[in-house]
Amino acid sequence: RKEVEQDPGPFNVPEGATVAFNCTYSNSASQSFFWYRQDCRKEPKLLMSVYSSGNEDGRFTAQLNRASQYISLLIRDSKLSDSATYLCVVIHSGAGSYQLTFGKGTKLSVIP
Amino acid sequence: GAGVSQSPRYKVAKRGQDVALRCDPISGHVSLFWYQQALGQGPEFLTYFQNEAQLDKSGLPSDRFFAERPEGSVSTLKIQRTQQEDSAVYLCASRGGLQGVSYEQYFGPGTRLTVT
Repeated sequence: RKEVEQDPGPFNVPEGATVAFNCTYSNSASQSFFWYRQDCRKEPKLLMSVYSSGNEDGRFTAQLNRASQYISLLIRDSKLSDSATYLCVVIHSGAGSYQLTFGKGTKLSVIP
Repeated sequence: GAGVSQSPRYKVAKRGQDVALRCDPISGHVSLFWYQQALGQGPEFLTYFQNEAQLDKSGLPSDRFFAERPEGSVSTLKIQRTQQEDSAVYLCASRGGLQGVSYEQYFGPGTRLTVT
């Protein structure tokens, strides 16, 4: 089983729709969680951190469920500019090691 | 200020050739990471430096891959005797904080390596 799994999509949604992505992780001792956005042929850029209490940034809401070992990203009122690949990132660090694992990404296409 | 820069942006190598990829992190950033991203995949962790110390190289796929950061700033990823399966985008990222602290990683634009 891969350490971090995402549905690759593509998710094709109309403008204005609400869309949600999940990401599951296998290491229960993972400590930090993030969502990154990657546009075609560009580098990944941080979208938001994911906190245990859940956090919201404008149209974006991220949540963490430690018991079920998944994180989620909700996008409300989708815009054409939201079209991109969304990567979840899970971090586990300890003495002498730093394991940062990306999911394969979920591709989102927002259509007019 | 300037972000993370990488050079060259594109590299075509013949199989068996050695290549060196350079990363200039954001000035003052302590941590530096290298990733390999194949087409349609997420970035795969290769190695991690804290200053000049290489703390984790568990992701390097073979002993043909070698990374260094001798003065704690610029880093070089070297691939010896390149193979076709090495074709990928190599991403470098830097982070201001120390290990265990959840600061954002800033990525460079990547070097797209094609081995023919």
